[in-house]
Amino acid sequence: SQQGEEDPQALSIQEGENATMNCSYKTSINNLQWYRQNSGRGLVHLILIRSNEREKHSGRLRVTLDTSKKSSSLLITASRAADTASYFCATDDPDRGSTLGRLYFGRGTQLTVWP
Amino acid sequence: DGGITQSPKYLFRKEGQNVTLSCEQNLNHDAMYWYRQDPGQGLRLIYYSQIVNDFQKGDIAEGYSVSREKKESFPLTVTSAQKNPTAFYLCASNPGQGSYEQYFGPGTRLTVT
Repeated sequence: SQQGEEDPQALSIQEGENATMNCSYKTSINNLQWYRQNSGRGLVHLILIRSNEREKHSGRLRVTLDTSKKSSSLLITASRAADTASYFCATDDPDRGSTLGRLYFGRGTQLTVWP
Repeated sequence: DGGITQSPKYLFRKEGQNVTLSCEQNLNHDAMYWYRQDPGQGLRLIYYSQIVNDFQKGDIAEGYSVSREKKESFPLTVTSAQKNPTAFYLCASNPGQGSYEQYFGPGTRLTVT
């Protein structure tokens, strides 16, 4: 069953603009991760934020986590055409007996960045 | 090169045939996973394995089988009992020992007609 739900389902912006995607989840978590998937490819890990962290940065990526609202956001600043991809959030679920490494993925946000 | 390989990239089969998808990793990771992805959908877990000779069902295991005879290999068989086998299949691995990041292969697109 899916744990996270991304919003919006699709996002279309111009190069240079910022892109913000949101993820909501249902249970308590130890951490939340964001992954990127180019069309027809495997997923690539972008960033992990732990439940005791509120914000994390990696290059042009900024992730926030609000455990009280069970939500996270991924901000991509100064977007480029090469950022066009699907972005997924993934969480663990310690309430279901922490099976080490098992993740629950949302349906993803399809980001299109126009040159 | 270290990583996860899946072969083939595209696979076509006739309905009623079993088919095995390959997944190999040379990352020395303990845990391996198989996911199914349908258009516009997230990833759904089929099977996972935390150690050699052990594996557990995920959320959609019916119609699938796996084996884990070697640490580096985790093949997935899509049997004729799987009612809607056409999908994109992704294999992933994880180092274990408290690590949460998963490393994905390039995927196999299976089409059954």
